Amino acid sequence: DAKTTQPNSMESNEEEPVHLPCNHSTISGTDYIHWYRQLPSQGPEYVIHGLTSNVNNRMASLAIAEDRKSSTLILHRATLRDAAVYYCILSPRGPYNNNDMRFGAGTRLTVKP
Amino acid sequence: GAGVSQSPRYKVAKRGQDVALRCDPISGHVSLFWYQQALGQGPEFLTYFQNEAQLDKSGLPSDRFFAERPEGSVSTLKIQRTQQEDSAVYLCASSFLPLDRAITEAFFGQGTRLTVV
Repeated sequence: DAKTTQPNSMESNEEEPVHLPCNHSTISGTDYIHWYRQLPSQGPEYVIHGLTSNVNNRMASLAIAEDRKSSTLILHRATLRDAAVYYCILSPRGPYNNNDMRFGAGTRLTVKP
Repeated sequence: GAGVSQSPRYKVAKRGQDVALRCDPISGHVSLFWYQQALGQGPEFLTYFQNEAQLDKSGLPSDRFFAERPEGSVSTLKIQRTQQEDSAVYLCASSFLPLDRAITEAFFGQGTRLTVV
C-alpha cells in the first residue's frame, strides 16, 4: 500500500508562510498526490493535487520533489482561518483499487495571531 | 442544495439499536464514499460506490455495517445492533467522475455524529 507520513502538528504565525511536509517514499508512477484539510466540526475539503510538476491555485501551492518521494504544501500567508488538520493522500490513476482515498492522521496546523 | 448533505447531523442511539444514516451527494456525482472518523483521528475509509455499484467495502468493520445506493444517487449507511465503539462521526463524500476516468476532487458533507449510549 502506498502510504504517507506527516508530522503530527505544526505551528505558524499569522501572515507568515507555512510549509507542510509529506513523505511518500513508496509512491508509484500512477499515484497522484492530493491534499485536503479539515476545519473544526467540518468535513474535509479539497486543497490541491498534483502528479509531477509543482502546482498553484488560489488556496495554496504544491511543491513535489523530483523523485516524487516527498511533497510540500505551501500556504503563502497563513491566516487564522487556515487552522485545520491537513491531510496528504495518494490516489492512483487508472481503474479503482483498494488504495484510493485513504486518509492518515494528518498534520494539525495551529496559527498564532 | 449545492453541497453534499447528510442527515441527521446528530444521532444518539441506545446500545443494540439499529441506525440509518443518509447521504445526499451532489446531483450527477458518480462516485460516493463513506468514512468513519473517531475523535482526534483521520477519516477511516468504509466503502466506495460508483453509481449503484458498491466496488469496495473492504473498510466496513463488521457485518453489522451495511451500505447501499440503490438508484445511484442517495446512499444509506446502516449499522445494526450498535455498540459503543461505533460512536464516531460518519462522513460521506462524492465526486463527479469515477476514479478511473479522471482525477477529480471529492466533496464532503458535514457528517453525522453518532453517539451510542
